[in-house]
Amino acid sequence: AQSVSQHNHHVILSEAASLELGCNYSYGGTVNLFWYVQYPGQHLQLLLKYFSGDPLVKGIKGFEAEFIKSKFSFNLRKPSVQWSDTAEYFCAVTPSSGNTGKLIFGQGTTLQVKP
Amino acid sequence: EADIYQTPRYLVIGTGKKITLECSQTMGHDKMYWYQQDPGMELHLIHYSYGVNSTEKGDLSSESTVSRIRTEHFPLTLESARPSHTSQYLCASSGPGTGEFYGYTFGSGTRLTVV
Repeated sequence: AQSVSQHNHHVILSEAASLELGCNYSYGGTVNLFWYVQYPGQHLQLLLKYFSGDPLVKGIKGFEAEFIKSKFSFNLRKPSVQWSDTAEYFCAVTPSSGNTGKLIFGQGTTLQVKP
Repeated sequence: EADIYQTPRYLVIGTGKKITLECSQTMGHDKMYWYQQDPGMELHLIHYSYGVNSTEKGDLSSESTVSRIRTEHFPLTLESARPSHTSQYLCASSGPGTGEFYGYTFGSGTRLTVV
């Protein structure tokens, strides 16, 4: 069965620190990959997505993610975090074929940024 | 600003009551989904729909039922609520109807507490 694993469950950083959140998936075929963010009290929002092409994708608010096919990974990065990045981050995957649209989510990573 | 609306936002209800969680979207998306989210856990797909009169159960078994009579409306019903149903329920939609999958738009969620 397809699954998504986020290894960091709770991350605490100081402002201006660099961020990398790990995401690995298990699926043998081609996939579409997503990172979603949920700020406190708000709905889930799309941060960035990868479908094909350049494996380094840039999203909103200075976030980026790199797809490494050989490692089945799609790690999220940001060079310098801000207090406003405090949120929960979810990695998700769906098979490219079939257009089922069914996303499989990871457990989420809670990021706390200290001012 | 999300174009998908969930009501109520919070609900506390007694055991045995019948409840319906509402979800509506104004984007004309054909695919709609219900996820269940518990703290520190991944989102679990409980129901999905690919269009009017199309509903399927998701990967996580749920005692709830759904209907899709209109494109924009995808309510979830619990005939007899139990404390084990206490959770957050997230509704999402995706489009366009065919072709590339752009990811979900999420509602704000309904936090259900059954006492």
